[in-house]
Amino acid sequence: AQTVTQSQPEMSVQEAETVTLSCTYDTSESDYYLFWYKQPPSRQMILVIRQEAYKQQNATENRFSVNFQKAAKSFSLKISDSQLGDAAMYFCARTYSSASKIIFGSGTRLSIRP
Amino acid sequence: EAGVAQSPRYKIIEKRQSVAFWCNPISGHATLYWYQQILGQGPKLLIQFQNNGVVDDSQLPKDRFSAERLKGVDSTLKIQPAKLEDSAVYLCASRRLAGVQRRNEQFFGPGTRLTVL
Repeated sequence: AQTVTQSQPEMSVQEAETVTLSCTYDTSESDYYLFWYKQPPSRQMILVIRQEAYKQQNATENRFSVNFQKAAKSFSLKISDSQLGDAAMYFCARTYSSASKIIFGSGTRLSIRP
Repeated sequence: EAGVAQSPRYKIIEKRQSVAFWCNPISGHATLYWYQQILGQGPKLLIQFQNNGVVDDSQLPKDRFSAERLKGVDSTLKIQPAKLEDSAVYLCASRRLAGVQRRNEQFFGPGTRLTVL
């Protein structure tokens, strides 16, 4: 099955705290990419972080890091030192069809409490 | 480098009317995608172009939706006639290279929010 599952429709975190968003996926491919996209109210999809499935090392981008568990098909996003500007919908996604296409999860709405 | 441009940003129509959306991808990007994003869901691929040819339109409701990409650059997505369930955000994305090029990502436009009354 070609699915990406985000089990947390909404999450809330205190400003400056750390929050983790969960994602699991299914795939029959051995080589693929995983992504976390941010979509603020402006609707612009912004790539937050990318992970190559063949790399064991977890990707990091400043305050954003992932925990990639390939055998478990799990790909969570950790946001450290949360800021008000991090409030948005976050979508987990992975490539398929030789990486030419992307399938998205249903999203997690993250709110930041000041 | 200019991003993916889309217009209009918002559109409100009555059911059974027609509507068209326009997308201008990043210059030089061979692959163009149209997605439909219903409220509360992730984007769903409608159609994928490589240059001016269709690669995948398996999820496009062809009885009412059509799309074209003339000269391998700009693209238009049309709905005729619109139904209530077509209310959604329509996102356009482009990608530099065609085929199996794993590292190059899709860049998204700001989307068009369609409301069908």
